[in-house]
Amino acid sequence: LAKTTQPISMDSYEGQEVNITCSHNNIATNDYITWYQQFPSQGPRFIIQGYKTKVTNEVASLFIPADRKSSTLSLPRVSLSDTAVYYCLVGEIAGGYNKLIFGAGTRLAVHP
Amino acid sequence: NAGVTQTPKFRILKIGQSMTLQCTQDMNHNYMYWYRQDPGMGLKLIYYSVGAGITDKGEVPNGYNVSRSTTEDFPLRLELAAPSQTSVYFCASRLDSQETQYFGPGTRLLVL
Repeated sequence: LAKTTQPISMDSYEGQEVNITCSHNNIATNDYITWYQQFPSQGPRFIIQGYKTKVTNEVASLFIPADRKSSTLSLPRVSLSDTAVYYCLVGEIAGGYNKLIFGAGTRLAVHP
Repeated sequence: NAGVTQTPKFRILKIGQSMTLQCTQDMNHNYMYWYRQDPGMGLKLIYYSVGAGITDKGEVPNGYNVSRSTTEDFPLRLELAAPSQTSVYFCASRLDSQETQYFGPGTRLLVL
């Protein structure tokens, strides 16, 4: 299972774009990159997933370079409610044993 | 759909006591998981199940037991509670065709 490295914490202000980068140098061919969001006292919630290039949904964008050794979660125009911990995970999709390795995540604080 | 539900929300145990943490999902997911999350840390996998009647150990199974008699339910049993088991416990489920795990709200356990 590929290990991921991401910043421990980040600060931003309302209305700004936030980019959180995750390193996963040992990513395997069949691995997908998934980001989860966790608010205090709640379980993690799926944000976005991708394999290569760029993926966008109503919440965020995920940028993955050609070598796939890193990925960047982009949150457009954050609000106070985006204050949370964000986890980057790498693993094989579907079938068989799906084990998610959660690191410590990135604590994002959005200020007024 | 209620999604993934967990009971109780909070429990205080004395050392040596036993209890069962309940987890139920109504999404007909075949995969179910139990995680624990210590303060300021990521989630660690305790046990998982790929379907009714099938369970296996995760990263930190010692001190816990599970069973999966139905698709919907995946209880976690603590036989002899220890202070080291003070944590927040999350249950999750997913379809085998999808990477996304859906988490419950968690059970906060304090062992004194």
